Order: sequence, then structure tokens, then C-alpha cells
Amino acid sequence: EVQLVESGGGLIQPGGSLRLSCAASGFTVSRNHLNWVRQGPGKGLEWVSIIYSGGTTYYADSVKGRFTISRDNSKNTVFLHMNSLRAEDTAVYYCARDAPRRDGYNEAFDIWGQGTMVSVSS
Amino acid sequence: EIVLTQSPGTLSLSPGERATLSCRASQSISSSYLAWYQQKPGQAPRLLIYGASSRATGIPDRFSGSGSGTDFTLTISRLEPEDFAVYYCHQYVYSARTFGQGTKLEIK
Repeated sequence: EVQLVESGGGLIQPGGSLRLSCAASGFTVSRNHLNWVRQGPGKGLEWVSIIYSGGTTYYADSVKGRFTISRDNSKNTVFLHMNSLRAEDTAVYYCARDAPRRDGYNEAFDIWGQGTMVSVSS
Repeated sequence: EIVLTQSPGTLSLSPGERATLSCRASQSISSSYLAWYQQKPGQAPRLLIYGASSRATGIPDRFSGSGSGTDFTLTISRLEPEDFAVYYCHQYVYSARTFGQGTKLEIK
């Protein structure tokens, strides 16, 4: 079964750091484009970051310089390293896959994890 | 950054009625790179439509998408009780993806 499972969320103080994990099964992370998307309490969806199959990464302006996306091919897992956390980073963080395309171009998100909650508060 | 504006914010309809949801982009985007998602409380979003008009696997044919340039529409032909949820449009033409703010479809 193709699925994504996030973990690593929790309660963290402002200025702190956290690492989220997204474990994939049923497909190979290194051959796909993987994203992080977050949703604040009662709010809409906000795209956070992407790691392309080739390794290139991009970030939303709101997290640039503070968050880093990476992957461990041996564990078939993608990570989101979050530093200098702020109250406004409080959200459910989802991992989502670009649907595979033969040409490697961007595609809609066909697989989503169940999400992991990050709360930034003193 | 491409800004997506969805309207209306809330749509109140009855089962069996037709729903029309709008998504307007701040600049023209290829219709190949516009998607719609459904999200129910406590659940992750589910892909409904990609490439502006292609239904994702397992999506009923009462869901349809259309549009081009800056104006896109999601239509639900006959609302079923399970269709009441929040709907998001999403552009993925650039690496920096963006979502609309969502339309809540509620039972009248």
C-alpha cells in the first residue's frame, strides 16, 4: 500500500527546534517529489517546502532560512528540520507526494499523510 | 507568488442541488497545473481534480473541473451528504506552490 506516515510533532517553546519525519511505503522517496504542507488551527492549507527527486529544494518565504527539508534514501524517509520556531508555526504538518509524471514536471498531490501536530508556545 | 482567491467563502446548499465553486489566480496559469482538494474535519485533504479537469482515481463523476487562464471552477452536479466539506484549489505551475483560502460547503 502506498502511504506516508508523519511523526515528530509536539509542544516546543518559541525559538526551539524540532525535526519532523515522513516515512514512505509502497514507493521510493528518491524517485518522487515530496512536499510539506501545514494547516494552522482553523486555517487553510499552506505549502511549506519541496524536495525534488533530483535533490533540489524550495521553501515558502515564511520559513526560508529557518526550515530545511532533507531525505534519507536508506530509510525511505523525508525530514523537515525546523529551527527558530515561532507561535505562527503552530500547525498540523502534512507530508504529500507529487503524483508521478514521466516527464518529471510538477503535479498535484495524490498521497497525503495523516499529519503531525506542532505547537509552539511558552 | 501566485495568489489564488476562492469564492464564495461559504456556500449553503441542500443535498441534490448543484454546487459551483470558483478559484481565481492572480496571474494566468496553465490549466495543466491547477488542482482541487476536498477536506473533511480531522482528515487530510483528498485530491479530486488535477490538470484543471481530470478526475483523480476513484472520484465520482458528479465532480467536474473546468477553466483556463485565471478562472477555474469546480462543479458538483448533485450534492450527496458526504460532499459537505471544505474545498481548496491549488496551483503547482511553479516550485513555490500555493493554495486558495478554501470554500466551506455546508448543508442548508
